[in-house]
Amino acid sequence: GAVVSQHPSWVICKSGTSVKIECRSLDFQATTMFWYRQFPKQSLMLMATSNEGSKATYEQGVEKDKFLINHASLTLSTLTVTSAHPEDSSFYICSARGGIQGYTFGSGTRLTVV
Amino acid sequence: AQSVSQHNHHVILSEAASLELGCNYSYGGTVNLFWYVQYPGQHLQLLLKYFSGDPLVKGIKGFEAEFIKSKFSFNLRKPSVQWSDTAEYFCAVTRPTGGGNKLTFGTGTQLKVEL
Repeated sequence: GAVVSQHPSWVICKSGTSVKIECRSLDFQATTMFWYRQFPKQSLMLMATSNEGSKATYEQGVEKDKFLINHASLTLSTLTVTSAHPEDSSFYICSARGGIQGYTFGSGTRLTVV
Repeated sequence: AQSVSQHNHHVILSEAASLELGCNYSYGGTVNLFWYVQYPGQHLQLLLKYFSGDPLVKGIKGFEAEFIKSKFSFNLRKPSVQWSDTAEYFCAVTRPTGGGNKLTFGTGTQLKVEL
């Protein structure tokens, strides 16, 4: 079945640094990738939608200059958290539209900013 | 704005008990409906989905859900839960037209099944 590989699974970084999260679709082409953020005991909140070769569409309230999304190929999308701060600590999940399930999710990245 | 409500935030059941988790959505147009499960430390997995046709949908692991259009509901059911069903369950909705295929999730229901 369709698989989305998300790396890293967890990362700890210092405040002010940037962190890049990668999502790869392993056996299908993902023309659209969604990036979510999940706070503890809360739902997944959509941050942005990216389409291969075009600029990402950000949800209201999401800072596009802080959360840089690149979808340069049909199998790779990246989310870079720039100048991270403790309030950016969260669980980030990508989802690719594709595969038999319709939407295939990555395993998530736990970001802790200290 | 479209929203998805899951009224049960935490559910505790004994093994073999029956399960019903509520899900309501606010959008009045055509929607596609999903239930996902997230086991501890794992990624979201699709349990079942409804696009059209028979409103009673059967999914994996013995789960089913019923779409009741008049009630804007898509409740998840399982006749007899197992300890291994302990997980978080999310209802999700997309709008096939005008919604950009974006999944909107409910707040999730944490299910704990006790032996």
